[in-house]
Amino acid sequence: DAMVIQNPRYQVTQFGKPVTLSCSQTLNHNVMYWYQQKSSQAPKLLFHYYDKDFNNEADTPDNFQSRRPNTSFCFLDIRSPGLGDAAMYLCATSSTGYSGANVLTFGAGSRLTVL
Amino acid sequence: GQNIDQPTEMTATEGAIVQINCTYQTSGFNGLFWYQQHAGEAPTFLSYNVLDGLEEKGRFSSFLSRSKGYSYLLLKELQMKDSASYLCAVRDSNYQLIWGAGTKLIIKP
Repeated sequence: DAMVIQNPRYQVTQFGKPVTLSCSQTLNHNVMYWYQQKSSQAPKLLFHYYDKDFNNEADTPDNFQSRRPNTSFCFLDIRSPGLGDAAMYLCATSSTGYSGANVLTFGAGSRLTVL
Repeated sequence: GQNIDQPTEMTATEGAIVQINCTYQTSGFNGLFWYQQHAGEAPTFLSYNVLDGLEEKGRFSSFLSRSKGYSYLLLKELQMKDSASYLCAVRDSNYQLIWGAGTKLIIKP
């Protein structure tokens, strides 16, 4: 089945120790998104790619970086995680960014714990 | 600013009907989405409305009134597995998705 796969599902790191989360998709969607979601809150968009065109949200901290080496893969790098970065990180894809329903398909998420 | 309002939590009984409301104030409108999210899991798509009226899909229906900035999700014949959070999201004039914080629905036997 076509899907969005995130790894790892659970990540525990120490304060300040870099973390990389990965996302792969078999849907051949050209738009990929990274969201941060804390408990009982709305998903917060960190950045998205329209093909290789990178779009950073204005309030995304510099501590968060992303890479998209090809259509299928996208990575989220947290350079120096703080306690406030503990959250669920959701990767999502959609077929096009600017027309139609463009339903987002989410991966299962990566839950980050910072000690 | 842009804003999506939903009740924080609702409780309903198995087999009953529940209506979850969503009101929005956004810069333009290019569609409204409802997603279901079980605890600790990713959101999954339920419905999409871009024109006024009711969209029915099995036990779930979604209604939109653009003039009132209002939508609701109607769940019929509630089952225990419907216990989840229900997220309302609106696409604005820049095609950005604005998300509500979600409504946690608790189903009791």
